[in-house]
Amino acid sequence: DAGVIQSPRHEVTEMGQEVTLRCKPISGHNSLFWYRQTMMRGLELLIYFNNNVPIDDSGMPEDRFSAKMPNASFSTLKIQPSEPRDSAVYFCASSPGTARSPLHFGNGTRLTVT
Amino acid sequence: GDSVTQMEGPVTLSEEAFLTINCTYTATGYPSLFWYVQYPGEGLQLLLKATKADDKGSNKGFEATYRKETTSFHLEKGSVQVSDSAVYFCALLGGGADGLTFGKGTHLIIQP
Repeated sequence: DAGVIQSPRHEVTEMGQEVTLRCKPISGHNSLFWYRQTMMRGLELLIYFNNNVPIDDSGMPEDRFSAKMPNASFSTLKIQPSEPRDSAVYFCASSPGTARSPLHFGNGTRLTVT
Repeated sequence: GDSVTQMEGPVTLSEEAFLTINCTYTATGYPSLFWYVQYPGEGLQLLLKATKADDKGSNKGFEATYRKETTSFHLEKGSVQVSDSAVYFCALLGGGADGLTFGKGTHLIIQP
């Protein structure tokens, strides 16, 4: 089991640029989650998918953020245009989708917007 | 809504000391409770869990007991090691939710 795979591990970009973060969940997992981690706010759930369908995106901070899951093995989180306050570590997690099942996290993408 | 409160860090202990990290929660229904650990530069890993009242989760010498009467899930370890240095997150999964609600994390530093 390769675990949840995220890319890139680090991303440095200038304000106004588009940023795309990628995630490959664990094979067979039906639920996928995007979290953002900052010192000020801790871990925040941005959006989650069940069977490739977005279920709750109420955590997405602004319209500049969008997420897609075109198939069961791939998801993207896009920020366009990026701003310095978007700097954070973004985690993807997946779970089997059964009741009370824990999440499996990727190693995260550290985003720095200058 | 659901919420998790855990003690602020950093918590600094000497090797072989006894560890307690407090966690209390607010939730409707009967949540499942989790402790996750995050080592530097890595994602969160599940440490232990408990799914109903009075359950005790345990792993790697860590324990936590689901106390419904006090809405708590305190993490304990009898003798910590330097390798336990990490950030520890308490989390809950509510009855109607599909995403975990996390506490803000407690940074644990173990000195040799």
